[in-house]
Amino acid sequence: QSALTQPASVSGSPGQSITVSCTGTRSDVGGYNYVSWYQQHPGKAPKLIIYDVSKRPSGVSNRFSGSKSGNTASLTISGLQAEDEAHYYCSSYTRISTWVVFGGGTMLAVL
Amino acid sequence: EVQLVQSGGGLVQPGGSLRLSCAVSGFTFSDHCMDWVRQAPGKGLEWVARTRNKADGYTTEYAASVKGRFTISRDDSKNSLYLQMNSLRTEDTAVYYCSRVGVAKAYFDNWGQGTLVTVSS
Repeated sequence: QSALTQPASVSGSPGQSITVSCTGTRSDVGGYNYVSWYQQHPGKAPKLIIYDVSKRPSGVSNRFSGSKSGNTASLTISGLQAEDEAHYYCSSYTRISTWVVFGGGTMLAVL
Repeated sequence: EVQLVQSGGGLVQPGGSLRLSCAVSGFTFSDHCMDWVRQAPGKGLEWVARTRNKADGYTTEYAASVKGRFTISRDDSKNSLYLQMNSLRTEDTAVYYCSRVGVAKAYFDNWGQGTLVTVSS
């Protein structure tokens, strides 16, 4: 069982917006502004799309945005495109045991 | 351009050993912490090990699941990261990724292509 809780799947139509949640505790998500999000296409390595809750690396589309409220972080993808269909993983710094914890991942289907 | 190119991996029997390598380019290797992250078939991501940068004294950390069996190391003169895996178990079967830790040390900003390790008799 993953330390951070994500929905197993979400779906949306092209052009729509979707939000993926990532729920932790005060020891991780709620305690630090160190939440990051990764996109992973089948058979490929993960790719960083959001770090420090809401920052986007250079080259990542501004259709991807991140936020946090309390112990829950969120990834929003606006203007859905077919190429957004992938798994999305959240992670957070944690002060317990390992330095980082991951969510179980969310499969995004673009219908 | 930042590049992380992995090698090693393959099929090994339970109890066996394997060494993974990760050759990096495009950045000053000694400035960055480097980690290994793995992904069991059909599963999510799991952090495995970290080697800190030169400024942080090259200290290392391990997940409880691999502590005492795996050793992470680096050779800054060769711009290379390694993972020595001993006493392998079937549950270590996964794709292993080397990853560069970002400046804030709280995220992975570049990843290797991944290498499959299969532990099976």
